[in-house]
Amino acid sequence: AQSVTQLDSHVSVSEGTPVLLRCNYSSSYSPSLFWYVQHPNKGLQLLLKYTSAATLVKGINGFEAEFKKSETSFHLTKPSAHMSDAAEYFCVFNAGGTSYGKLTFGQGTILTVHP
Amino acid sequence: GAVVSQHPSRVICKSGTSVKIECRSLDFQATTMFWYRQFPKQSLMLMATSNEGSKATYEQGVEKDKFLINHASLTLSTLTVTSAHPEDSSFYICSAETGTGRSYEQYFGPGTRLTVT
Repeated sequence: AQSVTQLDSHVSVSEGTPVLLRCNYSSSYSPSLFWYVQHPNKGLQLLLKYTSAATLVKGINGFEAEFKKSETSFHLTKPSAHMSDAAEYFCVFNAGGTSYGKLTFGQGTILTVHP
Repeated sequence: GAVVSQHPSRVICKSGTSVKIECRSLDFQATTMFWYRQFPKQSLMLMATSNEGSKATYEQGVEKDKFLINHASLTLSTLTVTSAHPEDSSFYICSAETGTGRSYEQYFGPGTRLTVT
C-alpha cells in the first residue's frame, strides 16, 4: 500500500537544540513529498517539498529534509529550535501515477519547544 | 504566496439543517480544488477532488449526496453539508492547486470549524 508514516506523535525539545521529525513512506512510484506546519487556529503552511530534484531540500524558517530512497525516509530537521517552531507538523505524500494531485497526510507530529 | 480563503471560519448549526462552506483562491486560478476534513487530534483526510466545470470525485466512504461540492468557477468551490448531524462536526479544510507537471503545489485555506448541535 502507498502511504506515509510519521514515527513520533509528540516531540519535545529545548530551545536552541536540534529538531528531528521522522517520516517514512511507501510508494510504487517516484513520490513527491512535502512537510507542512499547522499552528493553532491557522492554515497549513508549506515548509518544503521534494519532487525528484535535489535529495536535500531546504525550506523556510531554517528547516530542511533529506530524501533517502534506500531508507524510504524524508525526515525533517532544524539545527536550532525556536519557541515559534512549536506547532503540529505533517509529512505529506503524493504517490504520483494515477494518484497525481491527491495528497495523503501523515498522522502528524506535535512539536513542543521548552525555554 | 498564493492565498486561499474559506468562509465562514466557524459555523454552528442545528441538526437537520444544511451548511455551505466557500473556498476561494484569491490571487490565482485553480482548476482543481480539494476538500479535507480533520477530526480533533487526527490528521487530514481527503474527502473529494473538485474540478472546475465537472463533477467532483469523492473518496471511498464519503457520501456524495451528503457532501455536495460545486466548483462553478476557477476561483470558487463550495462544500454543502446537507442534513447535518452531530457526527458531521469537524474541521473542514480546502486547498487549491496551481502549477504544472511536477511543479504543482496546493495552497490551503485556514479551515472552517463546523459544530452541529
